This record gives sequence, C-alpha cells and structure tokens, in this order.
Amino acid sequence: GQQVMQIPQYQHVQEGEDFTTYCNSSTTLSNIQWYKQRPGGHPVFLIQLVKSGEVKKQKRLTFQFGEAKKNSSLHITATQTTDVGTYFCAGRTGNQFYFGTGTSLTVIP
Amino acid sequence: GAGVSQSPSNKVTEKGKDVELRCDPISGHTALYWYRQSLGQGLEFLIYFQGNSAPDKSGLPSDRFSAERTGGSVSTLTIQRTQQEDSAVYLCASSRGANVNYGYTFGSGTRLTVV
Repeated sequence: GQQVMQIPQYQHVQEGEDFTTYCNSSTTLSNIQWYKQRPGGHPVFLIQLVKSGEVKKQKRLTFQFGEAKKNSSLHITATQTTDVGTYFCAGRTGNQFYFGTGTSLTVIP
Repeated sequence: GAGVSQSPSNKVTEKGKDVELRCDPISGHTALYWYRQSLGQGLEFLIYFQGNSAPDKSGLPSDRFSAERTGGSVSTLTIQRTQQEDSAVYLCASSRGANVNYGYTFGSGTRLTVV
C-alpha cells in the first residue's frame, strides 16, 4: 500500500543551525503538502508543491519536490526557537493525502 | 464557522463504553477527513467524506468504528465498546474539495482516554 516515510524521526539543533527533513514515497505523487504541528497543537498547512522539481520558499523555509515526484524536502535556515514542532509531509495519490511519519524538531537556545 | 470545530476537546471513558466525537467543518468545505494520532506518532487515516459520495472507510481499524456525515456538513465518529488501544487524539480536517489541490484545515482534536 501507499507509504510515505520521513527522516529523521527526531532532530535536535542549536539555535541558528540549519535543519532539513526528507520525505520519501513508495509511489509517484500528484502533489505534496507540508504541515507543522506545534507541541500540543494540531497540524497547520504550510505549503503545497505540484510540479516536478518545484522549489518554493517561505522566509527561512525552503521546500523542494523531487524530479520523479516521489520525494520532497523541507529546509529551515538559521533555526529559531519558534520553529519547534513536528513537521509532516503529506503526499497525494488519488483523492487522498497520505501523511508521513513526521520529524520532530527541537531547537536548543 | 471560521475554523474546524471539534467536540468534546477531551473525553475520558470507561473501557467497553461507546463514545461519539463531533466535527463541524468549515462552511462550504465539501471534503471531510478523520485521522487518529497516538502520542508522539503520525497521523493515521480513518475515513473520508466527499460531498454526497459514498465515504472511503478504508482506514477504519475495526467494525467498532463508524462515522456519519449529515447534510454534507457535521460529522460524527462513533467508537463502540471502546478499548484502551483506542486512546488517542482524534483529528478532523476539512478542505474545499477532493479534486482540487487545497490544504487541509485541521480542528484542535478530541483527546480520548479509555480507562
């Protein structure tokens, strides 16, 4: 069945360091979305990527969609304590989005 | 409403009892999804409603779980004869539609504890 995996599962970084999470699908995706879930909160939509090789930026966040549309990455430059949370990718196949396992980011001040 | 509303926010129930969880999606959103999130885990898909189509129930873990969506709006997730492994946060999400590329808007969830 459809599987979307994320690595790493956990990441601790010093404030100011960069952070990257990777998302990999077993099948080709029509598009991919990224969500952020703060501790104790619910997932909040960040962005959607549709085109092969697409790159989008939101301030310090850079999102990429692989050429084969099977993988994606989220890179945060110069992390801040406000970046703390779990980042989920969600890959779309058919009418459903399959959520990745998430990467939990801890930023040490 | 402005967001997806879920109730109750917390529910503690005894093993073997039935529970009902409610989701009120954003007005006009035709797609509604239920997910389950255990502590520190990812999101487990449960069920999906799109307009008047038959729901996609492929994620329901057992026949103790069922869901309805009345009038294309409010949805109720029912868990019968609850078990301790049902303890989790149950998240509802809605989106403008299934065939267009919109992000999901999640509710704050219902934290279910089965004791």
